Amino acid sequence: DAMVIQNPRYQVTQFGKPVTLSCSQTLNHNVMYWYQQKSSQAPKLLFHYYDKDFNNEADTPDNFQSRRPNTSFCFLDIRSPGLGDAAMYLCATSRQKADTQYFGPGTRLTVL
Amino acid sequence: QKEVEQNSGPLSVPEGAIASLNCTYSDRGSQSFFWYRQYSGKSPELIMFIYSNGDKEDGRFTAQLNKASQYVSLLIRDSQPSDSATYLCAVIGGGATNKLIFGTGTLLAVQP
Repeated sequence: DAMVIQNPRYQVTQFGKPVTLSCSQTLNHNVMYWYQQKSSQAPKLLFHYYDKDFNNEADTPDNFQSRRPNTSFCFLDIRSPGLGDAAMYLCATSRQKADTQYFGPGTRLTVL
Repeated sequence: QKEVEQNSGPLSVPEGAIASLNCTYSDRGSQSFFWYRQYSGKSPELIMFIYSNGDKEDGRFTAQLNKASQYVSLLIRDSQPSDSATYLCAVIGGGATNKLIFGTGTLLAVQP
């Protein structure tokens, strides 16, 4: 089945220790997104890639970076996680911009 | 004014009843409207999308859109306890950003 896969599903890191979250997709979609979702809040868009074109939201902290080495994979790097970065990180894809977005299962990040 | 507004709930309905979830949006140029279901600790799952004024039915779910009133709703017929979740309304706004804007969601509780 075509799908969006995220690894790991649960990640525990220490304050200030870099962490990388990964997302892969078999849908062959052009657009990939990273969202952050905290408890009882709406998902908050961090970045998106339209093919290789990177788009950073204005309020995404500098601590967060992303890479998309090919169509199938996208990574979220958190350089120095703080306690406030503990959240669910969601990867989503869409065929084109403004198309329906499909979400992966998410990675729950805990910062100790 | 929030861009996409939903009543946070909880909305409690008895099993077998119709659950009615409502959403308003502020961008009159919005073209695409989505309902996602999110179980606690899980990622959003697409339930329905609607682009045109009127009703769209899929099984027990009906989405209703009224662009003049900037209002979109989701009806769930014959509600089941397994429908208990947070329902996120999301809108792709007008203009060039094509950004998906989420409401904070309505918690639905279906009582057996």
